Amino acid sequence: AQTVTQSQPEMSVQEAETVTLSCTYDTSENNYYLFWYKQPPSRQMILVIRQEAYKQQNATENRFSVNFQKAAKSFSLKISDSQLGDTAMYFCAFMRKGAQKLVFGQGTRLTINP
Amino acid sequence: EAEVAQSPRYKITEKSQAVAFWCDPISGHATLYWYRQILGQGPELLVQFQDESVVDDSQLPKDRFSAERLKGVDSTLKIQPAELGDSAMYLCASGLGGANTGELFFGEGSRLTVL
Repeated sequence: AQTVTQSQPEMSVQEAETVTLSCTYDTSENNYYLFWYKQPPSRQMILVIRQEAYKQQNATENRFSVNFQKAAKSFSLKISDSQLGDTAMYFCAFMRKGAQKLVFGQGTRLTINP
Repeated sequence: EAEVAQSPRYKITEKSQAVAFWCDPISGHATLYWYRQILGQGPELLVQFQDESVVDDSQLPKDRFSAERLKGVDSTLKIQPAELGDSAMYLCASGLGGANTGELFFGEGSRLTVL
């Protein structure tokens, strides 16, 4: 079974700063996807960024980028130039290719302060 | 923009009562999921549908929970009888399935409080 661990329950930074959220996972699979999802207060969860395990290049989406270290089973999310709207719970998630179901970490509550 | 619809948004019930949640996925999405999210934790999968068939219900407490997706479109999750420990957010999600590279689309959730 796969497990996803987020070791930072809460983080807080000032607006415009850069913040990195940590995630590690455990799997014996070789083909899988990793995700970061964002859950704003009282809003639905949305996809932030996705990484395919067979791709060595780290995924980027505007201010969001990942550091994917497959051998170390590490998948961190970097948010550059943080904005107030980035305040949310962030979940790291794993999906075995072909399984079509997400396994989530415990989440990190990120607060961006003005 | 197409969204996953869920109702009710909030439900307060007394223990031993029955409760039901409804989900309407994005049109054309073959896979549908019910997740339970306890406050401060990550979502945990309860049941996964592919069209009208259950793919995975290994974590569904079948003595009190049931889920159906009769026509392969919308879905209902039922709890009977509700227990105090069932208080949580129940999230519905849908996805394309098949060759989909994994993105799921979530509804706003149904928050259940059992008194």
